[in-house]
Amino acid sequence: TQLLEQSPQFLSIQEGENLTVYCNSSSVFSSLQWYRQEPGEGPVLLVTVVTGGEVKKLKRLTFQFGDARKDSSLHITAAQPGDTGLYLCAGYGSSNTGKLIFGQGTTLQVKP
Amino acid sequence: EPEVTQTPSHQVTQMGQEVILRCVPISNHLYFYWYRQILGQKVEFLVSFYNNEISEKSEIFDDQFSVERPDGSNFTLKIRSTKLEDSAMYFCASSEEYEQFFGPGTRLTVL
Repeated sequence: TQLLEQSPQFLSIQEGENLTVYCNSSSVFSSLQWYRQEPGEGPVLLVTVVTGGEVKKLKRLTFQFGDARKDSSLHITAAQPGDTGLYLCAGYGSSNTGKLIFGQGTTLQVKP
Repeated sequence: EPEVTQTPSHQVTQMGQEVILRCVPISNHLYFYWYRQILGQKVEFLVSFYNNEISEKSEIFDDQFSVERPDGSNFTLKIRSTKLEDSAMYFCASSEEYEQFFGPGTRLTVL
């Protein structure tokens, strides 16, 4: 069974601090997607990483896919209160039918 | 910007009743999915659908569940006889290739 484990599960920091969220697995994934979810809403796609070692930047967010395509990280520079939310990583299962396997999420709180 | 829409936003039903959750995927997408999220838990895959057929379904997606694309725009999830444990947020998603876009969800409450 393919699993994605995210760490930490909860993170509370002050505005302006940097942080990194990790998404790890013992399985290889063809791609990993990062989503952000607000309470009571659907996940919103932030980025997809496909190639091992790939780095993508979205303003103050930097996403990296591990060389072996088993892990990924999300780094936020100078966090702002607007970054508060639930961050989810998700990867495609080995069945190639579009089934996304989600991590349990990291809840980020950025205090002003 | 195109988006996935879902109706209703909240559905309350009695145990044993049938419910139909509706989704309008992004118009040029060919792949459709349903996921659910029980409060405080992971988002779980239910079913994927392509070319008017189920591609894969999870263990959760038993005989009480069915999906349909009745016309060119809607994609529905039917639960024939709801149970208390079906209470969850249900998300529809669609994709053109490998990036899935999610709708806002339907909160299903089974009493």
